[in-house]
Amino acid sequence: AQSVTQPDIHITVSEGASLELRCNYSYGATPYLFWYVQSPGQGLQLLLKYFSGDTLVQGIKGFEAEFKRSQSSFNLRKPSVHWSDAAEYFCAVGPTGTASKLTFGTGTRLQVTL
Amino acid sequence: GAGVSQSPSNKVTEKGKDVELRCDPISGHTALYWYRQSLGQGLEFLIYFQGNSAPDKSGLPSDRFSAERTGGSVSTLTIQRTQQEDSAVYLCASSGGYWDEQFFGPGTRLTVL
Repeated sequence: AQSVTQPDIHITVSEGASLELRCNYSYGATPYLFWYVQSPGQGLQLLLKYFSGDTLVQGIKGFEAEFKRSQSSFNLRKPSVHWSDAAEYFCAVGPTGTASKLTFGTGTRLQVTL
Repeated sequence: GAGVSQSPSNKVTEKGKDVELRCDPISGHTALYWYRQSLGQGLEFLIYFQGNSAPDKSGLPSDRFSAERTGGSVSTLTIQRTQQEDSAVYLCASSGGYWDEQFFGPGTRLTVL
């Protein structure tokens, strides 16, 4: 069964600083990988996705993520964080040939200081 | 176009009562999912619909939980005899197909007193 680990529960960065959120997955084949963002009281918004091909994926709001098969990682990055980026970020894997669902990590809460 | 909508946005109920949560997917989306988000358990999958059938119900936590989908569109999640541990945000998502990205609604916050 697939699983996702987000090792950082909470991260604080200064506005304008760079950001990297870590995500490690467990799945036997090439996974479908996603990053979602959730602002307080809101649903989940898709930032970016990886299905195949180029391992560096560009998303919305200036985010990018790199798929590294050798490290089973799909880390999310942004060169310069804005105060409006404060939210909770979820990495997810799926669906697979046998499971239709998305399996989510536990999330990383991002706080941005001015 | 319109996204996924859910109603009600908030529901407060007493322990033992039944509740119904509604999801309106994006028009034309054949796949529909229900997830639950709670403090202790994070984001959990509940059930997947393809059209009106549910080939994957593996995430429903007990037989108090059921869901249906009619006309390949609207879905209702029903929780019978609610318990305090059912308190959570219930999220609905839809997609154009099994392998397509899932679009999420704003959720229904359920509080069981």
